[in-house]
Amino acid sequence: QKEVEQNSGPLSVPEGAIASLNCTYSDRGSQSFFWYRQYSGKSPELIMFIYSNGDKEDGRFTAQLNKASQYVSLLIRDSQPSDSATYLCAVTTGTASKLTFGTGTRLQVTL
Amino acid sequence: DGGITQSPKYLFRKEGQNVTLSCEQNLNHDAMYWYRQDPGQGLRLIYYSQIVNDFQKGDIAEGYSVSREKKESFPLTVTSAQKNPTAFYLCASSIGPKNYGYTFGSGTRLTVV
Repeated sequence: QKEVEQNSGPLSVPEGAIASLNCTYSDRGSQSFFWYRQYSGKSPELIMFIYSNGDKEDGRFTAQLNKASQYVSLLIRDSQPSDSATYLCAVTTGTASKLTFGTGTRLQVTL
Repeated sequence: DGGITQSPKYLFRKEGQNVTLSCEQNLNHDAMYWYRQDPGQGLRLIYYSQIVNDFQKGDIAEGYSVSREKKESFPLTVTSAQKNPTAFYLCASSIGPKNYGYTFGSGTRLTVV
């Protein structure tokens, strides 16, 4: 079992819709959870982080964490074509000195 | 402006050749990391360093070497022992990954010719 799992997609949503991206992790000791956006050929950029169970909102983005189910998700409201990218889920593991990444979910926002 | 600079952006390596990828940061971060990204495989950790003059192997360290002589610099050498080096290499730094995650450089795309 991979440490961090994501559906590779592509996930296709129409412009203006809500995109829901999901991630599961295997280490119950994981403490911090991050969502990165990566455009094709570019490096990842941090868009959200969450440490506690529940929801965390930042603009059009909402991160949701359920530690009991070992599940973290990212919701993007009012999806725009510029949101089309690969979204990487990352968690801190072990001594929390490094991040472990999922393989990413490719999101396509269609006109 | 503070940030992480990776150079070169594109690098071509001949068979049997060692090449060095540069990573410099002026964010005053203690921790630095090297990841490799292949299509469909996400980011895999090569080496990381939490303090000057100390570094640890990641999940795929074979065929790679690093040094950390200065806080600002963490160069990665891809040796001839790395049989499949063609990939996108990402350098990152952090003031504390648990709370702040990473800041990434712009990446180096290495191709074997």
